[in-house]
Amino acid sequence: RKEVEQDPGPFNVPEGATVAFNCTYSNSASQSFFWYRQDCRKEPKLLMSVYSSGNEDGRFTAQLNRASQYISLLIRDSKLSDSATYLCVVNMGNTGGFKTIFGAGTRLFVKA
Amino acid sequence: DTEVTQTPKHLVMGMTNKKSLKCEQHMGHRAMYWYKQKAKKPPELMFVYSYEKLSINESVPSRFSPECPNSSLLNLHLHALQPEDSALYLCASSQEALAELYEQYFGPGTRLTVT
Repeated sequence: RKEVEQDPGPFNVPEGATVAFNCTYSNSASQSFFWYRQDCRKEPKLLMSVYSSGNEDGRFTAQLNRASQYISLLIRDSKLSDSATYLCVVNMGNTGGFKTIFGAGTRLFVKA
Repeated sequence: DTEVTQTPKHLVMGMTNKKSLKCEQHMGHRAMYWYKQKAKKPPELMFVYSYEKLSINESVPSRFSPECPNSSLLNLHLHALQPEDSALYLCASSQEALAELYEQYFGPGTRLTVT
């Protein structure tokens, strides 16, 4: 089992739709969680940090469920500009070391 | 706008060449990272520097040699690379390293082609 797994996608949605991505992680010691977006041939850009029970930023809402070990990203009222790959990132730290684990990414296509 | 800059944007080099990638961050971060990213794959961690000292080397071949001259600068020296090393090389920084709470900020990357 991969340490961080994401919905494989791609997701093809019309403008204005609501779309949700899930990400599961295997290490219960994981401490912090992030969503990044990456446009084609560009660098990953931080979209949201998810530290506790979740947070919201405009059309974007991230949720964390520690009991089930997953995080989600909800995008409301999708825009064409939301088309990108969304990367789930998990930071794990303990006395044995520190790791940043990237999910494989979920591709989103928003169409007019 | 990113506060992590990388040069060059593109690099084509032969297998016998020596070249260097440069990264600079202006956020006062104490940790810097090198990642390698192949097409349609997530970034793979190569090296982590914390307070200018190498903290993590993810078993990267010695043809990649990192250097951290100061807390704002990070270099990656390349020598005798193979065609399979062609990829996007990303630099990132975070407030602290080896501490799980901090997000990383990425530079725009250097697209490397080895011929």
